[in-house]
Amino acid sequence: GQQVMQIPQYQHVQEGEDFTTYCNSSTTLSNIQWYKQRPGGHPVFLIQLVKSGEVKKQKRLTFQFGEAKKNSSLHITATQTTDVGTYFCAKPHYYGQNFVFGPGTRLSVLP
Amino acid sequence: DGGITQSPKYLFRKEGQNVTLSCEQNLNHDAMYWYRQDPGQGLRLIYYSQIVNDFQKGDIAEGYSVSREKKESFPLTVTSAQKNPTAFYLCASSGGGNAFFGQGTRLTVV
Repeated sequence: GQQVMQIPQYQHVQEGEDFTTYCNSSTTLSNIQWYKQRPGGHPVFLIQLVKSGEVKKQKRLTFQFGEAKKNSSLHITATQTTDVGTYFCAKPHYYGQNFVFGPGTRLSVLP
Repeated sequence: DGGITQSPKYLFRKEGQNVTLSCEQNLNHDAMYWYRQDPGQGLRLIYYSQIVNDFQKGDIAEGYSVSREKKESFPLTVTSAQKNPTAFYLCASSGGGNAFFGQGTRLTVV
C-alpha cells in the first residue's frame, strides 16, 4: 500500500544519550520529509531528502536516505530536553499530491 | 507575516450539532489539507484540495465536509454524522514542497 512505517513507536532516553528513529516504505520514494511535533503543538517541517544515500545534518540531528530510497533515519546525538516530541516521516503521494505521514516516534528525554 | 491560521484554538460542541473549523493561509499555496490527530496517534487525512472549487476525500472523510471557495480559505465542518469527533484537528497547506501546519483546533464533544 501507500503506508510508511516508523520504529520505534516510543523511545525513552536519558538526557545525553543518542536516539534514532527509522522510517520504512514498501515502495521506492521520490523523496522523504521529516517533521517534529512538540507536545501540544503542531508538526513543523525539519528537512527533505531527495537523493539516494543522502545525508544531511542540522546541528545534533542527522538525517539519512537509504540507497534504495525505501528507508530513512533520523539520529539525534546527545539528546536534550528540548528534543522531546514526536518525529514523523512523510512521503509524497503524487496522486492528489498528498502527504502520507508515518505513525511517528514519540521521544521522551529524562533529565 | 506569512502563515496559516486556524480558529478557534479550543471548541466545545454538543452532541448532534454541526461545527465549522476555520483555516486561512496567506502563503499563496494551492494545496490545503485537513488532518485529524487522536491522542498519541499519527495524522489521518480527512480532506484535501489542490485548487479552488475542487476537493477530494481523504482516508476518513465520513462525517466531515469542506469547501474551497477561495484560495486562502479551507473550512472544515464536523457534522453530527461524525460519531467520535473529539480530536485535535490540523490544517496544512503546501506550495509543492513541504507542508505548513496551523496551530490546530482541539474539538471536544460535551
